[in-house]
Amino acid sequence: EPEVTQTPSHQVTQMGQEVILRCVPISNHLYFYWYRQILGQKVEFLVSFYNNEISEKSEIFDDQFSVERPDGSNFTLKIRSTKLEDSAMYFCASSEGLAGEAETQYFGPGTRLLVL
Amino acid sequence: AQSVTQPDIHITVSEGASLELRCNYSYGATPYLFWYVQSPGQGLQLLLKYFSGDTLVQGIKGFEAEFKRSQSSFNLRKPSVHWSDAAEYFCAVGSGTYKYIFGTGTRLKVLA
Repeated sequence: EPEVTQTPSHQVTQMGQEVILRCVPISNHLYFYWYRQILGQKVEFLVSFYNNEISEKSEIFDDQFSVERPDGSNFTLKIRSTKLEDSAMYFCASSEGLAGEAETQYFGPGTRLLVL
Repeated sequence: AQSVTQPDIHITVSEGASLELRCNYSYGATPYLFWYVQSPGQGLQLLLKYFSGDTLVQGIKGFEAEFKRSQSSFNLRKPSVHWSDAAEYFCAVGSGTYKYIFGTGTRLKVLA
């Protein structure tokens, strides 16, 4: 069964450093997403991506964040200058892109980011 | 504003006992509701979803959920819990665009 994969599973970085989180969505999916979960808090939507551009972003997704689909398979989230409060589990997801709010999203295992 | 509440952060049940995990939502239109499970080291796996029609929805691994519009609830149930059900469970609502709004999750512990 096809699945969403994410690398790395864990990343530790120093405050102010840039990090890139990588995801490989399911191959025939058209919509891609990033969510994050700060420890003990809700899973929060960050951004959705369709047709090589951002479809929607939350207020969390400020200028420090960017997303890219550099090739036909990868989908990346870049944090330019990490802050302590960026420490969280980051989930990538993908969906077929046909059903809007009724869409079923398929999630990867997450990358746990720790900013020191 | 759209929101999802999972009132129970932790639940502990004995193996073989029944389980109910609560989920309440706030959404202006007909909601599209989902339950996901996350086992340690795994991604969020879809258990079941409600779009319309029959308010009792069957999912994988023996789970079911009932949509109650009058109570704005979508509680997850299982008649007999297995040790392998220990995990974190997330309720989510499709928000009107291509994004979900999640609850905080309920961590289930199963006693042997």
